[in-house]
Amino acid sequence: DAKTTQPPSMDCAEGRAANLPCNHSTISGNEYVYWYRQIHSQGPQYIIHGLKNNETNEMASLIITEDRKSSTLILPHATLRDTAVYYCIVRDAGGTSYGKLTFGQGTILTVHP
Amino acid sequence: GAGVSQSPSNKVTEKGKDVELRCDPISGHTALYWYRQSLGQGLEFLIYFQGNSAPDKSGLPSDRFSAERTGGSVSTLTIQRTQQEDSAVYLCASSFRQGRGDTIYFGEGSWLTVV
Repeated sequence: DAKTTQPPSMDCAEGRAANLPCNHSTISGNEYVYWYRQIHSQGPQYIIHGLKNNETNEMASLIITEDRKSSTLILPHATLRDTAVYYCIVRDAGGTSYGKLTFGQGTILTVHP
Repeated sequence: GAGVSQSPSNKVTEKGKDVELRCDPISGHTALYWYRQSLGQGLEFLIYFQGNSAPDKSGLPSDRFSAERTGGSVSTLTIQRTQQEDSAVYLCASSFRQGRGDTIYFGEGSWLTVV
């Protein structure tokens, strides 16, 4: 499995952009980068995913470096409800791994007033 | 349904009893995953289904744990002779196919407490 490295915690002021980094230096060419978040112990919530192009949806933007060895999740206007654990996951390319998600420890993002 | 549905949402059971946890995936989703998360811990993969088959059971912690899926839809995770260390939230997830680019959606989980 390609592994990811994330800072254990980050702070962000409400209304400002939250930029969450992730390193995945051993990613393979056909593996996607996925982001999920988890609030308390609710089920993980899907945020966004991408292969090599930058992606944007109603929740966030995903910026992937050209060499694909790192990425950044951007929450453009963080709110208090964005306080959660954010997981950056490189998804197994299928085959015997069957595309399961392997969760690390994630980044605890705290949005403060 | 609109999302992955799990039941019961909460279950308290006595040590040694058997429990069944149910997962209704999103309609049309052929891939189904079970995870568990102990208090303060990360998510741990348990088992994967493609249709009714379980090609990856590598995460099941012991032979007290089993799962089945019928009709390519509903899945049941069974824990026999529960132990206190089985206390956790059990999460089910589903996706349309096994592909790399699809989205896996999670349910809200079944909280299991073994007393």
